[in-house]
Amino acid sequence: DAGITQSPRHKVTETGTPVTLRCHQTENHRYMYWYRQDPGHGLRLIHYSYGVKDTDKGEVSDGYSVSRSKTEDFLLTLESATSSQTSVYFCAISEPIEASSYNEQFFGPGTRLTVL
Amino acid sequence: DAKTTQPNSMESNEEEPVHLPCNHSTISGTDYIHWYRQLPSQGPEYVIHGLTSNVNNRMASLAIAEDRKSSTLILHRATLRDAAVYYCILRAHNTNAGKSTFGDGTTLTVKP
Repeated sequence: DAGITQSPRHKVTETGTPVTLRCHQTENHRYMYWYRQDPGHGLRLIHYSYGVKDTDKGEVSDGYSVSRSKTEDFLLTLESATSSQTSVYFCAISEPIEASSYNEQFFGPGTRLTVL
Repeated sequence: DAKTTQPNSMESNEEEPVHLPCNHSTISGTDYIHWYRQLPSQGPEYVIHGLTSNVNNRMASLAIAEDRKSSTLILHRATLRDAAVYYCILRAHNTNAGKSTFGDGTTLTVKP
């Protein structure tokens, strides 16, 4: 299994509080991603990173910010959590190989966040 | 971005083959067809990918239509552990994988 951990694995918080989720990898992959998954639906990209301090927005980035100060860590912050951000959050990594069709993503175990 | 269309759900009996279809009529010439699956309470995992030719690996086979507008993931002998949501995704090689979209996928139920 790819070395990806997420912390915390479960969190319950109250509306209006800040929350930070951490993704840690030991694979030295260049790309890192944060997704959210709501019940019965697929994953939606929040933010991604293509290198240290290089990040960009995904399709559902409002209300979220990210930081990547080291290759191995990608942090997702909810500045002021809302009930609509109750979801399961997945981190993923990838390292596409030049001149190859290889472009696999590896996913972490997920963090279940509940905002009351 | 090109999108894929999959049935919401399918059922199979254990130890029988399963054919999971995917339509991608707007696929571009540089898009690879990737399949991922998500077991209950886990993150998605890679299954297989291909461009034009059919592909086989230890998990599954991928059959790609000649016009590339559709593909089929084949599980040769379904087991209870294959019960999962299967996602068909289009992805250009050597690019930001996050640019590809996970739809809602097909929920596969395997009956003993």
